[in-house]
Amino acid sequence: AQKVTQAQTEISVVEKEDVTLDCVYETRDTTYYLFWYKQPPSGELVFLIRRNSFDEQNEISGRYSWNFQKSTSSFNFTITASQVVDSAVYFCALSEALGSGGGADGLTFGKGTHLIIQP
Amino acid sequence: DAGVTQSPTHLIKTRGQQVTLRCSPKSGHDTVSWYQQALGQEPQFIFQYYEEEERQRGNFPDRFSGHQFPNYSSELNVNALLLGDSALYLCASSIRLAGTSSYEQYFGPGTRLTVT
Repeated sequence: AQKVTQAQTEISVVEKEDVTLDCVYETRDTTYYLFWYKQPPSGELVFLIRRNSFDEQNEISGRYSWNFQKSTSSFNFTITASQVVDSAVYFCALSEALGSGGGADGLTFGKGTHLIIQP
Repeated sequence: DAGVTQSPTHLIKTRGQQVTLRCSPKSGHDTVSWYQQALGQEPQFIFQYYEEEERQRGNFPDRFSGHQFPNYSSELNVNALLLGDSALYLCASSIRLAGTSSYEQYFGPGTRLTVT
């Protein structure tokens, strides 16, 4: 069975600090997808990134960066120079690839990390 | 380009009643997944529809059922509502492309269901 662990329940930092959100996953499949979503107080889940298991390249998008390491089954997310607007709950999620039909199955989410950026 | 839309936004029902929630996927998407998110918890996968069939199901009872229409829109039905069914119900759409890694799930704003 697949599992996602986000050990940090809540993180509070002062604006402009860098912050890293940890994500550790478990899966028996060799083909899988990892995701990060942001959920602001409004409630809508905002897609941030998807990674497939064959692509271990780290990615940077503006102030956001992701570090995928299969050796430690981790997919960590770093926000550089945090801003108050980054305050939200962040979810890491995993899906395993379906068979020859393509696509992927439902997402298994971690319990989320509540990030608080103080001005 | 319209994103994923859901209706209604909010709903209040009484225990034992039945409810139907609706979802229209993002343009070009053919797969719809439904999730339940209780207050303060992570989303839980209910089921996924593709080609008008339920393709995968999470750990939810048969009281939860769904449907996908030829235009890819979908409905979630919940029968015999319980107080514990109170949650935010999220719909996500994606594309199922065989042989590719093109797969991203985009979520709608959700329907807040309150069961009293």
